[in-house]
Amino acid sequence: QSALTQPASVSGSPGQSITISCTGTSSDVGSQNLVSWYQQHPGKAPKLIIYEVTKRPSGVSTRFSASKSGNTASLTISGLQAEDEADYYCCSNAGSSTYIFGTGTEVTVL
Amino acid sequence: QVQLVQSGAEVKEPGASLRVSCKASGHTLSTHYIHWVRQAPGQGLEWVGLISPGGHFTTSAQRLQDRLTLTRDTSTATVYMELSNLRSEDTAVYYCASEPPATGGFDYWGQGTLVTVSS
Repeated sequence: QSALTQPASVSGSPGQSITISCTGTSSDVGSQNLVSWYQQHPGKAPKLIIYEVTKRPSGVSTRFSASKSGNTASLTISGLQAEDEADYYCCSNAGSSTYIFGTGTEVTVL
Repeated sequence: QVQLVQSGAEVKEPGASLRVSCKASGHTLSTHYIHWVRQAPGQGLEWVGLISPGGHFTTSAQRLQDRLTLTRDTSTATVYMELSNLRSEDTAVYYCASEPPATGGFDYWGQGTLVTVSS
């Protein structure tokens, strides 16, 4: 099973909004509400920022929001800040209690 | 406070077996799924497998299922990942992570265990 498809890199200036897409299939993203997003800084463990497609864990900035349409999920970071520079990964349940991650997106704050 | 503490780095020869432990404190093992995720050097995240709260159900990525065994010891709140017949492509940082029931979100992560497979 191939990884979900994300853009390799996305960049934006401080204060701007950026959106990261995550494209799968009707067997994973398209049919599951168990889509999550993770932020990973270099050398660190990933951090959960979105679960169940749109929900934010307690303590995660409201600048992070997400949605899903068909086989594509999206993460939006509003009011981009220097601390948002990191790698971002989507993840989806793929049926039969298995999961699949996206290819990852490097976010650069210009 | 929830914590997942993993065992230390390992160096293994090709063909050997590996066991990584993940000890939970502050919750969780009785109600949460524990997932394993790995990350090869400079690469993305790869889901490895999961074990249910009671330890009676496991599942894994198709390409690893013949070599992967997941177990949990509820008396010590510890989960174990065993990977056999190691190959160089198994070189990675292995993470354990917990999932609250039916959320699909891995909310707490271990610190990671670097596994190097080399002759």
